[in-house]
Amino acid sequence: GAGVSQSPSNKVTEKGKDVELRCDPISGHTALYWYRQSLGQGLEFLIYFQGNSAPDKSGLPSDRFSAERTGGSVSTLTIQRTQQEDSAVYLCASSPTRRNSPLHFGNGTRLTVT
Amino acid sequence: AQTVTQSQPEMSVQEAETVTLSCTYDTSESDYYLFWYKQPPSRQMILVIRQEAYKQQNATENRFSVNFQKAAKSFSLKISDSQLGDAAMYFCGGLIQGAQKLVFGQGTRLTINP
Repeated sequence: GAGVSQSPSNKVTEKGKDVELRCDPISGHTALYWYRQSLGQGLEFLIYFQGNSAPDKSGLPSDRFSAERTGGSVSTLTIQRTQQEDSAVYLCASSPTRRNSPLHFGNGTRLTVT
Repeated sequence: AQTVTQSQPEMSVQEAETVTLSCTYDTSESDYYLFWYKQPPSRQMILVIRQEAYKQQNATENRFSVNFQKAAKSFSLKISDSQLGDAAMYFCGGLIQGAQKLVFGQGTRLTINP
């Protein structure tokens, strides 16, 4: 079946503009995660959804970052008033939330803020 | 708190030889599992191997095996008969049951020399 799909794959935006990043998880996966990966760095946790609710949003770096999930499926990560330090690859992953189920990752969105 | 540390930013190995990537973690929880993901230049995160904390037997997947030392909180990955296709970033990570937040190390870039 289809894997986790993220769009766009690449996004270039001007400083100060808002951007929306989309994630389509694997059908039936109840858990959804967003991570940020800066150049040459590890994966930084941003937010976790269980269904449509976000039990853990502790990783969102500032109030410019927000995320929502609708219908227990598609999720959107929104960054308002983008800054150059927001440039990174944003990875989405989903999981069926059965015990010890692995995460399935998308190919990410590379965001460049100029 | 839960942390994962990979102390080797880069490693290299000759093709067909064996290499071990190090990972240590810290958690006060008893119910968790650990995993290794591989990220080739395509950005796709691929699950390599996983280990549940309650299992004493080390996990093995073909040429990949782990050395899980629970008391030492160490979880190293051994790659036998290295192949050119093994070249990638490798991320160690852990998830605490119930918290559902996967935490990753900073990654190790593995180069395979022909």
